[in-house]
Amino acid sequence: GAVVSQHPSWVICKSGTSVKIECRSLDFQATTMFWYRQFPKQSLMLMATSNEGSKATYEQGVEKDKFLINHASLTLSTLTVTSAHPEDSSFYICSANPGLAVGTQYFGPGTRLLVL
Amino acid sequence: QKEVEQNSGPLSVPEGAIASLNCTYSDRGSQSFFWYRQYSGKSPELIMSIYSNGDKEDGRFTAQLNKASQYVSLLIRDSQPSDSATYLCAVNRNNNDMRFGAGTRLTVKP
Repeated sequence: GAVVSQHPSWVICKSGTSVKIECRSLDFQATTMFWYRQFPKQSLMLMATSNEGSKATYEQGVEKDKFLINHASLTLSTLTVTSAHPEDSSFYICSANPGLAVGTQYFGPGTRLLVL
Repeated sequence: QKEVEQNSGPLSVPEGAIASLNCTYSDRGSQSFFWYRQYSGKSPELIMSIYSNGDKEDGRFTAQLNKASQYVSLLIRDSQPSDSATYLCAVNRNNNDMRFGAGTRLTVKP
């Protein structure tokens, strides 16, 4: 149980285009999902908390108009990187709490984004 | 002061030895504590969670928590080369506020 999937696993795009990343909880419902970004040899940085049926909560310094989050159902959250630039190239990982234990988060496999 | 601090390593231990990983945190109100393992190029995988002071054992892994000292540790007994990874300490301040340390890179040498 507690499986989280992400799609795509890899994406390469041209600068200025938008990229959508999907995060799905496969065997549980998640009212809250989390989006992280990880640059090489650095730790996970929380970007935003995605709330089903309401607006996402963004961390300080994360541009909400650039990183659009939509949590349309209890099993799906999407992150859209709008007008991507090379500095947005990173490893994007989502996670969800299946409610099995307080605070426990299970991570998706991640999406590696390369912006040329 | 960082919210969650870990020694970045690398920590190198011989196969079969005990690996000891340490973590300190700044928020005394933190409620739950986690250790994740992250292989290169992969996403983190939950190894252990601990919520109360003392030790918690799961197979070769033992998590230790001391809230008074704001200290969490992970011991890996009988270390194997497959344990070579980066270990992330995570601290949950409330149900939706998880903070991660920078990670300690562990290498287990055959």
